[in-house]
Amino acid sequence: AQTVTQSQPEMSVQEAETVTLSCTYDTSENNYYLFWYKQPPSRQMILVIRQEAYKQQNATENRFSVNFQKAAKSFSLKISDSQLGDTAMYFCAFIDYGGSQGNLIFGKGTKLSVKP
Amino acid sequence: GAGVSQSPSNKVTEKGKDVELRCDPISGHTALYWYRQSLGQGLEFLIYFQGNSAPDKSGLPSDRFSAERTGGSVSTLTIQRTQQEDSAVYLCASSLEPAGGPNGELFFGEGSRLTVL
Repeated sequence: AQTVTQSQPEMSVQEAETVTLSCTYDTSENNYYLFWYKQPPSRQMILVIRQEAYKQQNATENRFSVNFQKAAKSFSLKISDSQLGDTAMYFCAFIDYGGSQGNLIFGKGTKLSVKP
Repeated sequence: GAGVSQSPSNKVTEKGKDVELRCDPISGHTALYWYRQSLGQGLEFLIYFQGNSAPDKSGLPSDRFSAERTGGSVSTLTIQRTQQEDSAVYLCASSLEPAGGPNGELFFGEGSRLTVL
């Protein structure tokens, strides 16, 4: 079965510093997509960044970047220059290419608190 | 619409009553998903629609749960004879194409918080 594991239930970081959230996954597929979603207190999930497994280059979106290690099945999220608005739950998610299961598989999330 | 709209935002009901939760996806999005998020947990997949058909119902936890989608648009999730363990936030998402494709980004609504007393 495909699984996504986030080993850090909670993390905190000082404003303007850098923080890295961990995610590992298990799959026998070779082509797939990985995602990081952010869920602020408003509850609405927002896509932060997406990585396609066949691309070796790590995805980057402004202050957000990933470290994708395919062989290790690791997909960590780095947030640089943390801002108070980054305070949220962060979920790592996976789906195989073509989506044979039809649905994203999510980890249990990491609660990130950015402190002033 | 501009985004995925869900109603009601909050619902309190008594054990044993039926509830209906509604999801209005982004116009033109063919794929629609229901997830359940219990306190302190990740997202639990319930059901996926492609158009009006549901190729994957594997996540529905029991026969008390059902969902339909009409006109390739609005979807309703119905929970019959609610139990306290059904208390959760029910999230709906839609995507232009199925999630495993290049245009498969999921856009989420704000969820419906269900509390069963």
